[in-house]
Amino acid sequence: NAGVTQTPKFQVLKTGQSMTLQCAQDMNHNSMYWYRQDPGMGLRLIYYSASEGTTDKGEVPNGYNVSRLNKREFSLRLESAAPSQTSVYFCASSERLKETQYFGPGTRLLVL
Amino acid sequence: AQSVTQPDIHITVSEGASLELRCNYSYGATPYLFWYVQSPGQGLQLLLKYFSGDTLVQGIKGFEAEFKRSQSSFNLRKPSVHWSDAAEYFCAVGSISGNTPLVFGKGTRLSVIA
Repeated sequence: NAGVTQTPKFQVLKTGQSMTLQCAQDMNHNSMYWYRQDPGMGLRLIYYSASEGTTDKGEVPNGYNVSRLNKREFSLRLESAAPSQTSVYFCASSERLKETQYFGPGTRLLVL
Repeated sequence: AQSVTQPDIHITVSEGASLELRCNYSYGATPYLFWYVQSPGQGLQLLLKYFSGDTLVQGIKGFEAEFKRSQSSFNLRKPSVHWSDAAEYFCAVGSISGNTPLVFGKGTRLSVIA
């Protein structure tokens, strides 16, 4: 089992460019999440999907959109990247919202 | 809504010394509690979790944590720290009702010196 996989591992964007971060899990989990991690800020929840077909805003959703493509895949889109979105992005999944979350290796995004 | 506080941003311990990382939570009912570890450049890995039952929970890598309802705490301990334990540690709390995601603390960075 690969667990939670994320692509790409690293990306450099120019301000105003768009991109989609991909996440997939092979654990048949119902719930999936996107976080960003910045120094001194801990993990901040961007969006989550409690189950296939549903998505909800987290703590910092502005500037992002998500798609729960199917039970396995949950993508995060930046429509017009800004330097403030420079961060490390983590995807996670869990059986249900209250259960243990399993994390991917992260995507490092630099917006110039 | 639940919340979690990790009072220590950064802790430095000597190799071989004991370790205690603090975690305090706020939640009206008995919470689900977790400790995760993040090594540099890696994702988060589960160390241990408490759902119910015995309040002293054993985890991987020799870590343990104790749930103290009266103090709203779930502190992480290790009797003898190894250099490889240097990492960031996150406490998280979940609700029994299960209708909201886990809430994570801001983390405690552990440095280990010789």
